[in-house]
Amino acid sequence: NAGVMQNPRHLVRRRGQEARLRCSPMKGHSHVYWYRQLPEEGLKFMVYLQKENIIDESGMPKERFSAEFPKEGPSILRIQQVVRGDSAAYFCASSPTGTGKSYEQYFGPGTRLTVT
Amino acid sequence: GDSVTQMEGPVTLSEEACLTINCTYTATGYPSLFWYVQYPGEGLQLLLKATKADDKGSNKGFEATYRKETTSFHLEKGSVQVSDSAVYFCALSQSGGSDYKLSFGAGTTVTVRA
Repeated sequence: NAGVMQNPRHLVRRRGQEARLRCSPMKGHSHVYWYRQLPEEGLKFMVYLQKENIIDESGMPKERFSAEFPKEGPSILRIQQVVRGDSAAYFCASSPTGTGKSYEQYFGPGTRLTVT
Repeated sequence: GDSVTQMEGPVTLSEEACLTINCTYTATGYPSLFWYVQYPGEGLQLLLKATKADDKGSNKGFEATYRKETTSFHLEKGSVQVSDSAVYFCALSQSGGSDYKLSFGAGTTVTVRA
């Protein structure tokens, strides 16, 4: 069973461009989470999605950031008009269920975004 | 809000040495506590967890005990191997309906020398 896949692993964008980060959850997982790790900080929750639904986007910046998890295909985190402060590692995780003390989130290797 | 503070790294050890990584937390209610490990080039993997006070999580020779009185969840291993070289993250999940929302420490890089 393949793990959580993220691509690209490294992405370089110039200020003002768009960044699209992809996440394919583990087989059978319908819950996806995105986290961001800024330099010297821990991972911070951004958004929680189920197929075709955004459940909790309380950690997403109000502007320029959006996320989707369509019925078919990977989850996409989209950052429009990137700025230098968006440079970070973006991690995706998936789980078979969304709540409960026994569930586990399985993480991908992350996408490292660099804005020049 | 909830937060996790863990020992700063990097930490360099010789094989068979003892490892302790300190982790303290601030949270309302009764969070669950986790240690994740990230090996080079890979995603974070759950190493161990504890869901209530005085629980001890253990895996691969690592242990951590949920101490509510000191709000701590320190990670320990009695004899490390080169293969334990990785980044270790302490994390908590908020109690209640948002328990999917993990809060992480900044990570501690551990290097074990042969």
